[in-house]
Amino acid sequence: RKEVEQDPGPFNVPEGATVAFNCTYSNSASQSFFWYRQDCRKEPKLLMSVYSSGNEDGRFTAQLNRASQYISLLIRDSKLSDSATYLCVVLISGGYNKLIFGAGTRLAVHP
Amino acid sequence: DGGITQSPKYLFRKEGQNVTLSCEQNLNHDAMYWYRQDPGQGLRLIYYSQIVNDFQKGDIAEGYSVSREKKESFPLTVTSAQKNPTAFYLCASSTPGQTYEQYFGPGTRLTVT
Repeated sequence: RKEVEQDPGPFNVPEGATVAFNCTYSNSASQSFFWYRQDCRKEPKLLMSVYSSGNEDGRFTAQLNRASQYISLLIRDSKLSDSATYLCVVLISGGYNKLIFGAGTRLAVHP
Repeated sequence: DGGITQSPKYLFRKEGQNVTLSCEQNLNHDAMYWYRQDPGQGLRLIYYSQIVNDFQKGDIAEGYSVSREKKESFPLTVTSAQKNPTAFYLCASSTPGQTYEQYFGPGTRLTVT
């Protein structure tokens, strides 16, 4: 079983739609949670952190449910420029802190 | 502008040859990382370095080697012992205590035939 699992998509949505991505993690040592964005054939970039209390940044809302080991990302009023792959990322604490990346969920926003 | 550079962007090699991928950063970050990304899989950690002259194996270090002689530079050598070297290789860096926010270079696509 993968440590971080995501629906690969693609999610094809029209501009203006609301879309939600889900992610589950299995490692109980998971300490912190993040969403990264990766454009086609480019490097990943940190999008936002995820907190139990929820985290909102403009049209983006991230949520964490520690009991269910579940993370979500909601994008409202989708724009063409939101088209990308969204990576669910977990920080594992241990001998050293390391990031575990999900395989990503691809979003395609069309006119 | 501060950032991470990787070169070359595309690299082609014959099986059995070692190849070295370059990674340079001018962000003054102590920590640097190497990942590989394969289709349908998340990024996997190959090696990391938290300080100059020190580095540690990640989850998939077999067939790879690194050096960290300068803070700015963290080259990765893909040796002939790596069984499936064709992949997208990403270098990243971060400040101490902020492992979660890693800054990535543009990546090198290595194809071995």
